[in-house]
Amino acid sequence: GEDVEQSLFLSVREGDSSVINCTYTDSSSTYLYWYKQEPGAGLQLLTYIFSNMDMKQDQRLTVLLNKKDKHLSLRIADTQTGDSAIYFCADVSGGYNKLIFGAGTRLAVHP
Amino acid sequence: KAGVTQTPRYLIKTRGQQVTLSCSPISGHRSVSWYQQTPGQGLQFLFEYFSETQRNKGNFPGRFSGRQFSNSRSEMNVSTLELGDSALYLCASSPGMGGNTGELFFGEGSRLTVL
Repeated sequence: GEDVEQSLFLSVREGDSSVINCTYTDSSSTYLYWYKQEPGAGLQLLTYIFSNMDMKQDQRLTVLLNKKDKHLSLRIADTQTGDSAIYFCADVSGGYNKLIFGAGTRLAVHP
Repeated sequence: KAGVTQTPRYLIKTRGQQVTLSCSPISGHRSVSWYQQTPGQGLQFLFEYFSETQRNKGNFPGRFSGRQFSNSRSEMNVSTLELGDSALYLCASSPGMGGNTGELFFGEGSRLTVL
């Protein structure tokens, strides 16, 4: 079945850029998503990219998509302590609103 | 606009009992989907309802069921609870139509502990 994989942990210094990587297996993916989960909260959609795009920029967020390698990345510029959270890569699989999530990357931002 | 509301936020049950969780979607949204989040299995899709019909279902046993009412509110039920059902249950709503089907709005979840 479809699978989404991502590294589990990333630690960065405040003000640096963070890059979170993800790989997926479903070659028919139309949209790919990045969700954020803060402690004790539900998930919040950060951004998404359509499969015919290579890059999407949204303020401090840049999403890069390499369809050939099935690789997705999320870059957060000027990372702040408020960006500390778990970031999930997700792919729609098999119908409406059925998202396949990666395991999540815990981003820790230190001074 | 009010967000997705889930009740109860926390609950404790014992093995063998059943539980019902409730979700009120964003006004105007007709689709409600449910996900289970555990440390071991991560986020897993349970099912999705649109206009009172189940459109999609994940790989969970029949003990997990759901329904949607005419006002789009949804409930999920877990019968004969097992220890492994301890999890955060997340509800998400969306308009339910259109091409971008993964753009979901999540509630804060119902945390179920089974003893």
